[in-house]
Amino acid sequence: GGIITQTPKFLIGQEGQKLTLKCQQNFNHDTMYWYRQDSGKGLRLIYYSITENDLQKGDLSEGYDASREKKSSFSLTVTSAQKNEMAVFLCASSIWGGGGAETLYFGSGTRLTVL
Amino acid sequence: GDSVTQTEGLVTVTEGLPVKLNCTYQTTYLTIAFFWYVQYLNEAPQVLLKSSTDNKRTEHQGFHATLHKSSSSFHLQKSSAQLSDSALYYCALSDGSGYQNFYFGKGTSLTVIP
Repeated sequence: GGIITQTPKFLIGQEGQKLTLKCQQNFNHDTMYWYRQDSGKGLRLIYYSITENDLQKGDLSEGYDASREKKSSFSLTVTSAQKNEMAVFLCASSIWGGGGAETLYFGSGTRLTVL
Repeated sequence: GDSVTQTEGLVTVTEGLPVKLNCTYQTTYLTIAFFWYVQYLNEAPQVLLKSSTDNKRTEHQGFHATLHKSSSSFHLQKSSAQLSDSALYYCALSDGSGYQNFYFGKGTSLTVIP
């Protein structure tokens, strides 16, 4: 088995601040994802990466940047934190099965609070 | 585009009674896989069930679901709810159209009370 580690678990920022969330996986999966989790809104895709140095925008990419410098790591940057924003950011990885993504494996999340 | 609908945002059930969480979907793709993910408080979402076969019952940890393509449904059921089942449940589909092909419902928060 493997594990996805997200750091930090809790992140408190100020309005307008640039904030970076990190994700490491030891599954040796090619594809990695960043989702935002808001109560009642499900999981919304921010960015994904199909291999090292690849970046693809999801539906919620505005206001975010991402970086995939190694196969095992995927970072997400909030470019300018919005006041009173609260959300959980989930990192995930999967094998690419050719006919479709296989099971997604998730980290336990980073909880963001913006003061 | 594809979509997944979970009609209940909150479900409360008494311990020992049956529970059913509804999931319906829309997709134009033929190659599709369906998932139920469960997320316990402060933990990572984890896959509970996965299925891609029409009319076949899939079971895990006392939960079961059957994919019915005729009604576009993949409801999650358990005959006897336990306190430890209290969690957030997501229904999702993967349509094989590309890497960005996971679609999640909005989630159902299940609370089991004594």
